[in-house]
Amino acid sequence: DQQVKQNSPSLSVQEGRISILNCDYTNSMFDYFLWYKKYPAEGPTFLISISSIKDKNEDGRFTVFLNKSAKHLSLHIVPSQPGDSAVYFCAAMTTREYGNKLVFGAGTILRVKS
Amino acid sequence: NAGVMQNPRHLVRRRGQEARLRCSPMKGHSHVYWYRQLPEEGLKFMVYLQKENIIDESGMPKERFSAEFPKEGPSILRIQQVVRGDSAAYFCASSLQGQANSPLHFGNGTRLTVT
Repeated sequence: DQQVKQNSPSLSVQEGRISILNCDYTNSMFDYFLWYKKYPAEGPTFLISISSIKDKNEDGRFTVFLNKSAKHLSLHIVPSQPGDSAVYFCAAMTTREYGNKLVFGAGTILRVKS
Repeated sequence: NAGVMQNPRHLVRRRGQEARLRCSPMKGHSHVYWYRQLPEEGLKFMVYLQKENIIDESGMPKERFSAEFPKEGPSILRIQQVVRGDSAAYFCASSLQGQANSPLHFGNGTRLTVT
């Protein structure tokens, strides 16, 4: 039962262009969403988050968009840089529960070509 | 290094042996989470602890797995009588508080291989 789905296993983008990573969820109780970035042999690193009361959150080159009616969120990276090459995980949680119990997607491998 | 520390980084066990994975949270963090990542999958929640207490263990297998976070010392994830299916990367994370605006900080994981 995959409550968070990242349907694209990989994405390849040219340096300087936009990277768009997508994520869908099924659980209507989720009201907080996060993106994590992971390099090989390292743990995930928090990138950006968004609450369900918003539809957009921006932090530098990273923007997360949330479409609640479609149960869909996306991460935009502009401009993409070779150092952005990593696995990106979408995660979701319900803030009604105590604690940060995250449900992760399977991840999307981003390759930024120089 | 004030980050989340996990050790060992790699652990090899034969079937039937015990595996002990350790996690020292970031300084000042009293909330600890364990996640498991199987090959080609995302991270799956296992257990959430807050100093000396298990808050949520809904993701833990009912048998062979246990976790603790004592008053002093690191959090321990213990797997008894390991089987090949336990081979995975185990990640520990910590947070300052238990709310959503207190993001999880992950360690670099322990890769367990059961032979």
